[in-house]
Amino acid sequence: EIQLQESGPGLVKPSQSLSLTCSVTGYTITSGYDWSWIRKFPGNKMEWMGYISYSGSTNYNPSLKSRISITRDTSKNQFFLQLNSVTTEDTATYYCARWDRYYWYFDFWGPGTMVTVSS
Amino acid sequence: DVVLTQTPPTLLATIGQSVSISCRSSQSLLHSNGNTYLNWLLQRTGQSPQPLIYLVSKLESGVPNRFSGSGSGTDFTLKISGVEAEDLGVYYCMQFTHYPWTFGGGTKLELK
Repeated sequence: EIQLQESGPGLVKPSQSLSLTCSVTGYTITSGYDWSWIRKFPGNKMEWMGYISYSGSTNYNPSLKSRISITRDTSKNQFFLQLNSVTTEDTATYYCARWDRYYWYFDFWGPGTMVTVSS
Repeated sequence: DVVLTQTPPTLLATIGQSVSISCRSSQSLLHSNGNTYLNWLLQRTGQSPQPLIYLVSKLESGVPNRFSGSGSGTDFTLKISGVEAEDLGVYYCMQFTHYPWTFGGGTKLELK
């Protein structure tokens, strides 16, 4: 079965970059689904951040403007999130998820990784 | 951006009680291709979100049929016919019709 696993530092200083990895097993990321990053802020608010498609194209939430970049390493079956110039408002639990391109929904999620932005 | 307003924010229920959650959209979620991309997810405490329903009313594989979704346009409802203990958590609606994709604010289902 497909599994996704986020990894990366749990603490980032303000103004620095946040970098996370999503490792996928049980499915090849170039095979036909798209791969997203989503975050949940303290409380219940959720935000879709962006995705990288199976072909390598990307689509980002405009709210993140030029701060976000999603890339991949197909040899390792991983995709990555980089968020620049972070502030305390970027403190959240970050999830990676697979997007079903036929029915348009997130069918598999990683367990999430908490990132705190603090000096 | 499309705003999804969920009500109520908190729902108190007893085991076996039937409950409903509303999700109202600031824009129609009917896509130009004729589909409506409104989903429901459940996040249990300490777990990642899991899909329950997609395309308004289609049950994800393995989801019990006490869950049902309905609605069209801007008004949608998730119904649980007979709450069980494993149903507790935060429910979200989410739309994929318009970019950026957006979530509702969540409804926390708790035991009364």
